[in-house]
Amino acid sequence: EDKVVQSPLSLVVHEGDTVTLNCSYEVTNFRSLLWYKQEKKAPTFLFMLTSSGIEKKSGRLSSILDKKELSSILNITATQTGDSAIYLCAVSPMYSGGGADGLTFGKGTHLIIQP
Amino acid sequence: DGGITQSPKYLFRKEGQNVTLSCEQNLNHDAMYWYRQDPGQGLRLIYYSQIVNDFQKGDIAEGYSVSREKKESFPLTVTSAQKNPTAFYLCASRGDRGPITANYGYTFGSGTRLTVV
Repeated sequence: EDKVVQSPLSLVVHEGDTVTLNCSYEVTNFRSLLWYKQEKKAPTFLFMLTSSGIEKKSGRLSSILDKKELSSILNITATQTGDSAIYLCAVSPMYSGGGADGLTFGKGTHLIIQP
Repeated sequence: DGGITQSPKYLFRKEGQNVTLSCEQNLNHDAMYWYRQDPGQGLRLIYYSQIVNDFQKGDIAEGYSVSREKKESFPLTVTSAQKNPTAFYLCASRGDRGPITANYGYTFGSGTRLTVV
């Protein structure tokens, strides 16, 4: 059974701090790892990672995948109160006709940024 | 604008009742999914469908049923057999099964919050 573990489950920091969120996975036929931000409603896509060691960046957010260690980190620098959310990590399998489908999610990291 | 519409946003169910959550997409996506989210939990896969008239159980299918009679629609019925249905339900679709694209074309609806009263 595919498995995704995120840590920490919750984190409280002050505005301006830098945070690192962790995701480890066990999945057969790995295709990609995805990060989402969720604020009370539907998850918002952040990054998709398929290749080990290549950093993806978007503003203050960045993420990298380590296929050898079966893990990924999401970094947020100069945090703002608007970064408060649940950050979800998910893995996607290789799709084949009639095979397993759908994302496997971790439990998420609940990040709270205090002013 | 293309997207996924879930309705209703809030739903209240009495004990022993069946209720149906609607999910409609106009993205021409082949694959559709239902996820359940409980507080402090990630999303767990209930059912998915890769093509019209076909669907597969996910990790927590017990007490739920689905149909896929049209490409655009993938309704989820929460039956009375589901003993703990209070949760946030998300529908998603995916349209690209070939070359890798950003997000693999996954699109989420805005969710239905179901409460048992």
